Amino acid sequence: QKEVEQDPGPLSVPEGAIVSLNCTYSNSAFQYFMWYRQYSRKGPELLMYTYSSGNKEDGRFTAQVDKSSKYISLFIRDSQPSDSATYLCAMRGRDTGGGNKLTFGTGTQLKVEL
Amino acid sequence: GAVVSQHPSRVICKSGTSVKIECRSLDFQATTMFWYRQFPKQSLMLMATSNEGSKATYEQGVEKDKFLINHASLTLSTLTVTSAHPEDSSFYICSARSRTSGGAGEQYFGPGTRLTVT
Repeated sequence: QKEVEQDPGPLSVPEGAIVSLNCTYSNSAFQYFMWYRQYSRKGPELLMYTYSSGNKEDGRFTAQVDKSSKYISLFIRDSQPSDSATYLCAMRGRDTGGGNKLTFGTGTQLKVEL
Repeated sequence: GAVVSQHPSRVICKSGTSVKIECRSLDFQATTMFWYRQFPKQSLMLMATSNEGSKATYEQGVEKDKFLINHASLTLSTLTVTSAHPEDSSFYICSARSRTSGGAGEQYFGPGTRLTVT
């Protein structure tokens, strides 16, 4: 079993739809949770991060973490064609001083259609 | 914002030659840099973690003699693929964590380098 599971998609939605992207994980030590957006042939771009359980909102994006269920979500409201990309969840445990490597999901490919 | 650059963006080399990829943090000091490899439609695979001034820590299964990593300064890390073979063809991405990163330890990614070995 992978430490982080993410549905690879592809997920296709019409413009203006609400998109829900999810990851589950098995390592209870994870405390920091991130969402990255990656356009084709580009490096990932950090969208949001949250610490422990709870919600965080930034414009059209909302990140949710439910540590009891080991489940994280990213919601995109009023989706736009420019949101078409691969979305990667990533997470890590407490700062160990050893570099704090991230564990990534496989990424969900999203396409927002006109 | 934190900007990380990579050079070159694309490189084609012949089998048996070595290729060096540079990763630079442009507007911050990177105490830690990470090197990833990404195959088409797959997630990032961490190859190694390097802290400035010390030897890189390689992930299990990554050959340290083949993928030489140097983190000589707080703004520059290099990855050298030695004696490259076609199976080394991939998208290589670096990321950097700044000295002042918050609790999440945000990593900022470079744009990636597409390596093709013929």
